[in-house]
Amino acid sequence: AQSVTQLDSHVSVSEGTPVLLRCNYSSSYSPSLFWYVQHPNKGLQLLLKYTSAATLVKGINGFEAEFKKSETSFHLTKPSAHMSDAAEYFCVVSNTGFQKLVFGTGTRLLVSP
Amino acid sequence: GAGVSQSPSNKVTEKGKDVELRCDPISGHTALYWYRQSLGQGLEFLIYFQGNSAPDKSGLPSDRFSAERTGGSVSTLTIQRTQQEDSAVYLCASSRSDRGTYEQYFGPGTRLTVT
Repeated sequence: AQSVTQLDSHVSVSEGTPVLLRCNYSSSYSPSLFWYVQHPNKGLQLLLKYTSAATLVKGINGFEAEFKKSETSFHLTKPSAHMSDAAEYFCVVSNTGFQKLVFGTGTRLLVSP
Repeated sequence: GAGVSQSPSNKVTEKGKDVELRCDPISGHTALYWYRQSLGQGLEFLIYFQGNSAPDKSGLPSDRFSAERTGGSVSTLTIQRTQQEDSAVYLCASSRSDRGTYEQYFGPGTRLTVT
């Protein structure tokens, strides 16, 4: 069975400083990994995905994530936070060939001026 | 283009009543999924439809939950004899399911409150 662990339930940063949201995964097979974002009262939006191509994945709004098999990690980063980045972020795993997404518990990102 | 739509956006029902939640996937998407987002359980998979194949019902929490997909498009999630623990946001997603493409596009959700 596959699973993801988001290591922080809340992360607080100042506007203009770097963002790091941590995610570790567990999977018996070659995983597909995703980060989704959910703004208040909005639907889930895909930020980026990893599906066994390049290990450094670039997504929308300046976010990127690096797949590290040796560390079973898929951390999300952004060089400079913006106020509009304040939201809940979900790390998600699915096994290649399977469509069911398994979500982490989420990390709430708070951005202060 | 149009995204995934869900109706109603909010539903308040009394314990013991049946409810139906509707999902309209993105046109041309062959795969459709239902998830549930609740405070206690987080985001969890419920059921998955792919084309004409038998649905994957492995995530349905009890036999009070059922879903169907008519004509390979619209889907309805039905909860019978609702309980307070069914209160959650029910999310629908769809994907093209092309080879190597697993992006699921989510609708805005239906917030169900059981009183």
